[in-house]
Formats: sequence, C-alpha cells, structure tokens
Amino acid sequence: QQQVKQSPQSLIVQKGGISIINCAYENTAFDYFPWYQQFPGKGPALLIAIRPDVSEKKEGRFTISFNKSAKQFSLHIMDSQPGDSATYFCAAKGLDGNEKLTFGTGTRLTIIP
Amino acid sequence: GAGVSQSPSNKVTEKGKDVELRCDPISGHTALYWYRQSLGQGLEFLIYFQGNSAPDKSGLPSDRFSAERTGGSVSTLTIQRTQQEDSAVYLCASSQGVGQPQHFGDGTRLSIL
Repeated sequence: QQQVKQSPQSLIVQKGGISIINCAYENTAFDYFPWYQQFPGKGPALLIAIRPDVSEKKEGRFTISFNKSAKQFSLHIMDSQPGDSATYFCAAKGLDGNEKLTFGTGTRLTIIP
Repeated sequence: GAGVSQSPSNKVTEKGKDVELRCDPISGHTALYWYRQSLGQGLEFLIYFQGNSAPDKSGLPSDRFSAERTGGSVSTLTIQRTQQEDSAVYLCASSQGVGQPQHFGDGTRLSIL
C-alpha cells in the first residue's frame, strides 16, 4: 500500500524556471512532511520540512506548500539552477513516537541551461 | 562536524553468506534508523532505535534480518543467508531524538551474486 504518492516521476526545467513536485498522502495521522534531495551515490539530504499547522514554509529558493484538506503538499524550487539537478523525495511521518518515514517514489529533476 | 558514517560503502557477497553492515551516527544523536533503497521498492523503513532499544522493528523483511545497537551509538545490521533480492542500498539515519529531523549517511551498496 503506497501511502505517499509523488509526481511527476521525472521533470526537466530550464535554468531560472520554477520546478514543482507534488505529493499526496492518505494517512491522516501524518503530521510531519520533509523533503529530501539525493545526488547519485549519496544519501538523501534533508532540504526542508513542514508540519500541518502552517500552509507554507520558505527557505531560500525552496518553498513547501501544504493543503491539509486535500492531503497534498508540494515543493517549489524558484530560479532553478543546474546544481539543483538531483532526485527529490517527499516523505511523511506520524505523531511523535511513530518515527517511521514513509517516502514517495522520487522525482528525477534535470535543470537544463 | 562528522555526519552519519556507514561501512563498508560497497559489499559484494555470494548468495547464502551472512553480511554485517555498520552505522556510526552523528555524535550525541540518540535515535538511529535503518532504511533500504532499491529500484523496485523505493525507500523502505526497516528498524528504529531509541538508545539501545528498538521500539519499531516492523520493517524488517524476514527473520534473516536483525539489528543491534550498543552503547547508544554504533549499530550493526546483519543479514543472514543472503538472497539476491537483498541487493539494495542500506541507509542509516540518526536524529537528536523522537520527532527530530533524520539525517542520512551515504549508505552501503550491497550486491548479492
């Protein structure tokens, strides 16, 4: 049972453009939603995270938008750069004490000059 | 500062052999997690430690898989009688405690011949 659905599977964006990756979840007990960035041969690196008490969180060029009623959240990368080319994973976790991260299937992002 | 350290970085072994994978968490991190990343299954949770105890072992695929943590620091994941389907990247993460962000190592790439 896939509890976190991620789309698109791959994305090509021009340098300077906005990259948007979407995730949807089913489990209403989830209350922590991180995004990870992974380069080939490396482990996932935490990029930004949000809890459902806010609808948006911004850190530099990265923004998470969260829609609790729709059970959806998305990552926006503004002014996308070639160095942003990587695989991005959304994830979700339940209330404190339930430490298991459930991951989406990943989006391979390519930024072209 | 050192991040999560995993060894070996690569391991090739024959089907039926036992393997032991090691994880050194970030200093001072009390929680430690094991995940598996494979092409077919994505990123899957295996087990979580708080201190030396494992409150959640729900992701271990079979009784061939076991993990332990000693001294609240280093953890080892052991796979007995390896099978080809065990081939994957085994990732370790650590956090400052319950509900805190999880930070990943670069993983051990395990190949079963």
